[in-house]
Amino acid sequence: GNSVTQMEGPVTLSEEAFLTINCTYTATGYPSLFWYVQYPGEGLQLLLKATKADDKGSNKGFEATYRKETTSFHLEKGSVQVSDSAVYFCALMGSSNTGKLIFGQGTTLQVKP
Amino acid sequence: NAGVTQTPKFRVLKTGQSMTLLCAQDMNHEYMYWYRQDPGMGLRLIHYSVGEGTTAKGEVPDGYNVSRLKKQNFLLGLESAAPSQTSVYFCASSYTPQGEWTEAFFGQGTRLTVV
Repeated sequence: GNSVTQMEGPVTLSEEAFLTINCTYTATGYPSLFWYVQYPGEGLQLLLKATKADDKGSNKGFEATYRKETTSFHLEKGSVQVSDSAVYFCALMGSSNTGKLIFGQGTTLQVKP
Repeated sequence: NAGVTQTPKFRVLKTGQSMTLLCAQDMNHEYMYWYRQDPGMGLRLIHYSVGEGTTAKGEVPDGYNVSRLKKQNFLLGLESAAPSQTSVYFCASSYTPQGEWTEAFFGQGTRLTVV
């Protein structure tokens, strides 16, 4: 079945550092890929998405490119802020659009001033 | 616009007790989901629904039942609670405008402790 694997955290960075959080997936066909963010004590909210190969999703300075050849969707940001501290989840919706949305295990990011 | 509302927000159960978690959405969404979140495990899909009157099993359905009698509500039941079901439960909903799936909208979560 479909699955999503994220790099283990926590990731601790200084403010203005470059961020990469790795995400790889296993799925048949061309799934849709997502990054969600969870701030402390809250539910998840969509950060960005890409629905076909080579698409780049972007939002709030974060970017991720859908790489079919490496089955990856790595999250990047050029300069992180303390306010980016949160848990980040990579997610996948299968190409058959059955409605089954699955998530990776989440990566905790802590940004220090 | 309330979005996705989960009831209750906190609950403590004794082993063997039963309870129902309610999820309500006011966005007329077709899809609804129940997840559990555990440390180091991420979000795992328990059950989901692609429309009123339909339900399907997710990744970890054992010990849970669900019902979607009304489009706006998705109920998650625990018939006989076990300590392994101690978790934070999240409900989400989504829709497909013009057949393309979009983002999922999440509730604030229910923290359940089984003692």
